[in-house]
Amino acid sequence: DTEVTQTPKHLVMGMTNKKSLKCEQHMGHRAMYWYKQKAKKPPELMFVYSYEKLSINESVPSRFSPECPNSSLLNLHLHALQPEDSALYLCASSPNQMFSTDTQYFGPGTRLTVL
Amino acid sequence: KQEVTQIPAALSVPEGENLVLNCSFTDSAIYNLQWFRQDPGKGLTSLLLIQSSQREQTSGRLNASLDKSSGRSTLYIAASQPGDSATYLCAVPSFYRGYQKVTFGTGTKLQVIP
Repeated sequence: DTEVTQTPKHLVMGMTNKKSLKCEQHMGHRAMYWYKQKAKKPPELMFVYSYEKLSINESVPSRFSPECPNSSLLNLHLHALQPEDSALYLCASSPNQMFSTDTQYFGPGTRLTVL
Repeated sequence: KQEVTQIPAALSVPEGENLVLNCSFTDSAIYNLQWFRQDPGKGLTSLLLIQSSQREQTSGRLNASLDKSSGRSTLYIAASQPGDSATYLCAVPSFYRGYQKVTFGTGTKLQVIP
């Protein structure tokens, strides 16, 4: 199984809502990532988790709260988002952690619209 | 800091034509390069992965080449079809604060006209 799954596929939320994005992999990977892709732009790194610990936060606003409850699951909790946060959120995983040359595997993404 | 550029930004070709998409990167110390396809409003589909020790990688009508020393990769699509219409992204991983960070190119939007 070389698949990264993400749910939901689409999400529409108001600025006062609280929602969560979910990412799952069963490849035994110990590094997981969140990327954000705005329309007509390339994806950009948001967070890196290694062995369930947050290793990199690319100065992401606190209204985005990542969580890695176990080695297979990565969540992104959303609260008080702004319309400009509307984007495609991509999850990725890779086998190892620091200084690894292993490939990242990407999920299909969650299309988020903030009204 | 790795910067990845793709030229052209957009390309429109008639069906059946062979075409080449270009990707340039500033830091040649890479260990692989990946090409992705992205359909409008959709996620990423991995097309080809070239390891730094390889020069070429082929899958069906797609052929990707890598020249590390010059900081370039090309994606060759043979006998293009309307179903090939999509945005093509090249992606280069690098070490960032000890961890992997994939830097994506700016993308080439391809339209194949029937």
